[in-house]
Amino acid sequence: DAEITQSPRHKITETGRQVTLACHQTWNHNNMFWYRQDLGHGLRLIHYSYGVQDTNKGEVSDGYSVSRSNTEDLPLTLESAASSQTSVYFCASSAGTGEGNQPQHFGDGTRLSIL
Amino acid sequence: GQNIDQPTEMTATEGAIVQINCTYQTSGFNGLFWYQQHAGEAPTFLSYNVLDGLEEKGRFSSFLSRSKGYSYLLLKELQMKDSASYLCAVRDEYGNKLVFGAGTILRVKS
Repeated sequence: DAEITQSPRHKITETGRQVTLACHQTWNHNNMFWYRQDLGHGLRLIHYSYGVQDTNKGEVSDGYSVSRSNTEDLPLTLESAASSQTSVYFCASSAGTGEGNQPQHFGDGTRLSIL
Repeated sequence: GQNIDQPTEMTATEGAIVQINCTYQTSGFNGLFWYQQHAGEAPTFLSYNVLDGLEEKGRFSSFLSRSKGYSYLLLKELQMKDSASYLCAVRDEYGNKLVFGAGTILRVKS
């Protein structure tokens, strides 16, 4: 069965370190997204990609970067981790061009703590 | 910009019916999605509306009024397992981006 997987599921790191969260999907979806979820804010879009070599900034992109070198993967990098980036991170993917019933499918999330 | 409002919390009794409202103000609109999210888990897709009216799927129904910027999710015959957060999300007119509301925590009591 096709799926979307995130790794690691949990990570603790220190401020100032570089951190990379992995996202891998086997649906062959063109569209991939990274969100963070914090109490009181819901899901907020960090970065997204509509295909290989395409990346775009979302609502809360400062301090984060992504790259899309193939269809399956969209790694999220925190350049220099800050305590404000402690959160739960979700990756999602979807098919199509924004028409019709094409929902985003989410990975199980990564809980990141920055001390 | 986009603004999506949902009640923060709701409580209902097992076996009852509950309606979770969502209002949105957006610069564009290309569909509205409802997701369910149990504590500590990923959001899972429940329903999709792009035209006005009611979409029914088993115990869950979703309604949309584009002129009023309003949607609701109706859950019938509530079960304890329906205790979760329910997220309303609007897709923008340019592609596949979703903007999410903060979510409504539903507690089902026996």
